[in-house]
Amino acid sequence: ETGVTQTPRHLVMGMTNKKSLKCEQHLGHNAMYWYKQSAKKPLELMFVYNFKEQTENNSVPSRFSPECPNSSHLFLHLHTLQPEDSALYLCASAPSQILSGELFFGEGSRLTVL
Amino acid sequence: DQQVKQNSPSLSVQEGRISILNCDYTNSMFDYFLWYKKYPAEGPTFLISISSIKDKNEDGRFTVFLNKSAKHLSLHIVPSQPGDSAVYFCAARYYGGSQGNLIFGKGTKLSVKP
Repeated sequence: ETGVTQTPRHLVMGMTNKKSLKCEQHLGHNAMYWYKQSAKKPLELMFVYNFKEQTENNSVPSRFSPECPNSSHLFLHLHTLQPEDSALYLCASAPSQILSGELFFGEGSRLTVL
Repeated sequence: DQQVKQNSPSLSVQEGRISILNCDYTNSMFDYFLWYKKYPAEGPTFLISISSIKDKNEDGRFTVFLNKSAKHLSLHIVPSQPGDSAVYFCAARYYGGSQGNLIFGKGTKLSVKP
């Protein structure tokens, strides 16, 4: 069992659909993150949660709505997305206090918006 | 404008030889630099990091060098093995920033040929 698990691994949705991505970590970490990786672009931080509280929103459009019910689970709710939102969405976790900046990533959810 | 740049999208090396992956950055406020490795269909995994107060960090076959005056870091893999074939991402963290707020480069795809 991997430390950070993401479901679904692949998702195809229309622009009017509502769907959610799920992330679960089994590492006992208190911080969780959503990153986006678009084709030929660097990974971009979207949201940060620390002890279930959102501490960063990196100017993400409101059609992306995160939810963190507890320190082990993180969701990304998606609605009325655009084709340019098609990307690999990566969840990561980390202990709250970590000096080196190391993150533990899940395998990602590949999203295609038609 | 990109703050962390990996100017070589790909690199091909013979097994047993040295692989050198390069990364340039523009922001003097970065305090930690990290390298991540990513296999297809998997999430990035942490490889090695270096604090901005050091100029070298070594872990087995992997060594990271930091040249602050040139705002340049490099990852050396010696000897290279076919299993090292992956995409390598350079990342940097702001001084005092959230441990998750890493700025990533676009990655360099390393191919190690037997």
